[in-house]
Parts: sequence; structure tokens; C-alpha cells
Amino acid sequence: DTGVSQDPRHKITKRGQNVTFRCDPISEHNRLYWYRQTLGQGPEFLTYFQNEAQLEKSRLLSDRFSAERPKGSFSTLEIQRTEQGDSAMYLCASSLGGGRGEQYFGPGTRLTVT
Amino acid sequence: RKEVEQDPGPFNVPEGATVAFNCTYSNSASQSFFWYRQDCRKEPKLLMSVYSSGNEDGRFTAQLNRASQYISLLIRDSKLSDSATYLCVVNGNTGFQKLVFGTGTRLLVSP
Repeated sequence: DTGVSQDPRHKITKRGQNVTFRCDPISEHNRLYWYRQTLGQGPEFLTYFQNEAQLEKSRLLSDRFSAERPKGSFSTLEIQRTEQGDSAMYLCASSLGGGRGEQYFGPGTRLTVT
Repeated sequence: RKEVEQDPGPFNVPEGATVAFNCTYSNSASQSFFWYRQDCRKEPKLLMSVYSSGNEDGRFTAQLNRASQYISLLIRDSKLSDSATYLCVVNGNTGFQKLVFGTGTRLLVSP
């Protein structure tokens, strides 16, 4: 399978714990994005990487959230001191540079904070 | 006002029907436009890009009106497998980095 992959697919954690999610983009894609989706809403942009550089961050990304893409390949999203409001689907997408910017999504990580 | 607005539906139609979804966007600087399809508890999948001249892909036709900041999707001869949520999407800035999604329109096709 050469699509975007994410791990884990599901995560249940207790409030206050830290969690980390991983995303592996389509291999030739140099752009990687993180989005968050809650029930009944469309995905909301969190952050964007071009190669290893984080070029844009949403105001939604509080200081408890950090994302990295150390070698320009896979990316991690960490949430520290999780809160119940962090419960959501975290989606990763990737795209080639240029063109119309079509983004292809992974299956997501569903986070439940209890 | 939301950046991308869609009628949430649901639209309930019989198999074989033609159904149209509409969407408006507020950022006149948007350059790229898309329709994504999302099945329940799955990731969004790109259905089609939307071009200024309008474009068609099989039973699906997309139209863009830049002057009115309006995008549409027409589905002809609906199939049961078309049941899903259809997300209207625009890029939120120049450079195509950030996609802005509508809340989606739910379609239910019944036998």
C-alpha cells in the first residue's frame, strides 16, 4: 500500500497524559499536513511541513501541541497534558509541491481522552 | 461567517436520481477548489478538483463561479454506493498549503 499511513489508529488515554501520533506520507510527497476533525465538522487545519521545515501553524495548535518532521519523511504529532477537548480524529495528509495542491489523507488516529 | 458554507442535509434520494450540492466560500483569493467524499468514520477521499471551466468525471459534474464565490457538485444516476458526506474544500491561502473544509453535506441513496 503506497498511501498515507498513520499509527496508531485508535488511542484511549486519561486526561493529563501525553500522546504521540505518527504519520508516514506518500513517499514522493514533500508536503505534509495535520488536521483535526470532530463529530459533525469538516477537518480543521493544524500545521504544515515542506520537507523538514514547519512553515505554518494554526491558532488551534496550542503550546501543548508539537509536531516534527525531522528528516523530511515521517512526522509526529505530540499532545502534552491531554484534555477531554482534545478528543477528535487526527488526520494526516500529504501532497506534491506545485500543481493544484491536491492532498491525500491517511486513515486518521482517533483519540479519546477520558 | 464560516469560510466555506454548505447545506448539511441530509439529502435523501432514490437510486437513479440526480442530486445537486452547493457551496459558497468567503475568501476571494482562493485559487484551488475540490470536492472530497467521506464515508462514516473514514478519512476524506479526493473526489475531484473543480476548474473554472467546469469539469465532469463520469456521473459527477463540478462547476465553479468565481464571481459569486459558488461551487456546485451534480451527481447523476445516483447509486447506493454514493451514500456518504460530500465536503466542499477550498485552499485558504496562496501557495495551496491550507485546505478549508465545509461541514459537509450528507447524502443517503435508498433502493
